[in-house]
Amino acid sequence: GENVGLHLPTLSVQEGDNSIINCAYSNSASDYFIWYKQESGKGPQFIIDIRSNMDKRQGQRVTVLLNKTVKHLSLQIAATQPGDSAVYFCAERRSGGSNYKLTFGKGTLLTVNP
Amino acid sequence: GAGVSQSPRYKVAKRGQDVALRCDPISGHVSLFWYQQALGQGPEFLTYFQNEAQLDKSGLPSDRFFAERPEGSVSTLKIQRTQQEDSAVYLCASSLTPSPGLEAFFGQGTRLTVV
Repeated sequence: GENVGLHLPTLSVQEGDNSIINCAYSNSASDYFIWYKQESGKGPQFIIDIRSNMDKRQGQRVTVLLNKTVKHLSLQIAATQPGDSAVYFCAERRSGGSNYKLTFGKGTLLTVNP
Repeated sequence: GAGVSQSPRYKVAKRGQDVALRCDPISGHVSLFWYQQALGQGPEFLTYFQNEAQLDKSGLPSDRFFAERPEGSVSTLKIQRTQQEDSAVYLCASSLTPSPGLEAFFGQGTRLTVV
C-alpha cells in the first residue's frame, strides 16, 4: 500500500554539525508535507511545512527540501544542538476530500552528542 | 489553558476493562483530531470532528472504539473491552481550521497500557 517512510531510523551527530533527515513518500496525490519533532513524553510539535508547488523552504536553522520526481523529502538542521535531540516525523496530507488527515512516517531518532 | 490538554497522562487497564480518554482542545478551535501512536511508530489517524460533528471515523480500529464531542469543545475517546493491542499513546490535536499543519497543535497524549 502507499506509505510515508524514512530511510534512517536513527541518526547520531556531534553538536554543531548539520543534520539531514530523509523521508520517502509514495502518494503522488499528496499536496502538503510537514515535519514534526517529538520529544520523549510529548506530542508532535510542528517544525516546518512545504507545499507540493515548492521545492525548498527555509525556517530558523531548518530547511525542508522536496523532490517530487523521486518522491523524497528531507529536513536539514543547521548547527545541531543538544535540544534538537528527538524523534522527527514527516507527514503528508493528501489533496481532495480528506485534506484534514495526516499520514505520518515511522520517524527518525536524532541524537546530538555534546 | 494555553495548549491542548489530555487526561489522564497515563492509564493502566486490565484486559476487558472500559476506558475513557479526555481531550480539552484550545479554546475556539473548530477542528479536533484523534491519533493513535504505537511504540516506535508514527501517529495514525483515528477520527476527526468539526465542532460537534464527527466527519470521519474511518481510522477507528474496531467498533470497540467510540469518540464524541457533544458540545463542540471537549472530546472523549472511549475504548470498550480493552485488548492488549490497544496499548498505545492516544494523541489529540486541535486546529482553528480543518487543515492540519501550522495551525494544529497536539496534546501530550495519554499512554494506555492494557495488561
